[in-house]
Amino acid sequence: DAGVIQSPRHEVTEMGQEVTLRCKPISGHNSLFWYRQTMMRGLELLIYFNNNVPIDDSGMPEDRFSAKMPNASFSTLKIQPSEPRDSAVYFCASSPGTSGGFSNEQFFGPGTRLTVL
Amino acid sequence: AQSVSQHNHHVILSEAASLELGCNYSYGGTVNLFWYVQYPGQHLQLLLKYFSGDPLVKGIKGFEAEFIKSKFSFNLRKPSVQWSDTAEYFCAVNVKGYSTLTFGKGTMLLVSP
Repeated sequence: DAGVIQSPRHEVTEMGQEVTLRCKPISGHNSLFWYRQTMMRGLELLIYFNNNVPIDDSGMPEDRFSAKMPNASFSTLKIQPSEPRDSAVYFCASSPGTSGGFSNEQFFGPGTRLTVL
Repeated sequence: AQSVSQHNHHVILSEAASLELGCNYSYGGTVNLFWYVQYPGQHLQLLLKYFSGDPLVKGIKGFEAEFIKSKFSFNLRKPSVQWSDTAEYFCAVNVKGYSTLTFGKGTMLLVSP
């Protein structure tokens, strides 16, 4: 099992540019989560999907951020336009879903380190 | 909404010292509990989890945690830490009916050789 795959691993861009982060969840997992991690704010949940449907995007900081999951094996997180304060590590995680009403553990990808100059 | 509190933001220990990291959650119902570890520059990995049964849970690398329902706590322990345990440790809780995990702010552990 390859685990959760994220690309790119590192992204350096200039303010105002569009950034697209990609995630491939573990096969068979039906929940996918996007997190942002910074020194100041710690680990923040941005959005999550169940069966490709966005369930809760209340963590998305503003309209510049958008996420899609066109199929069970691919998701994107897009920032347009990017700003220096978006610099962070963005993690994608997937989960087998729920069992008995409880969420199973989440498996994290290696993250994308984004730097916006 | 549920929340998770990790009492110590930074902990510094010498090798072979014993470790206990505190974790408390605020939710009166049934929960699943997790400890994740993040080594420097890496992603979060699961250390151990509690779903039901024996409240003393053993995980990888000699870590264990005890669920005390009356105290809403799930403290992480290790009898003798190693330099390689230097990492950030996150406690997380899942509430029945919710797909998400609520993470604590994390505790940064530095083990000096």
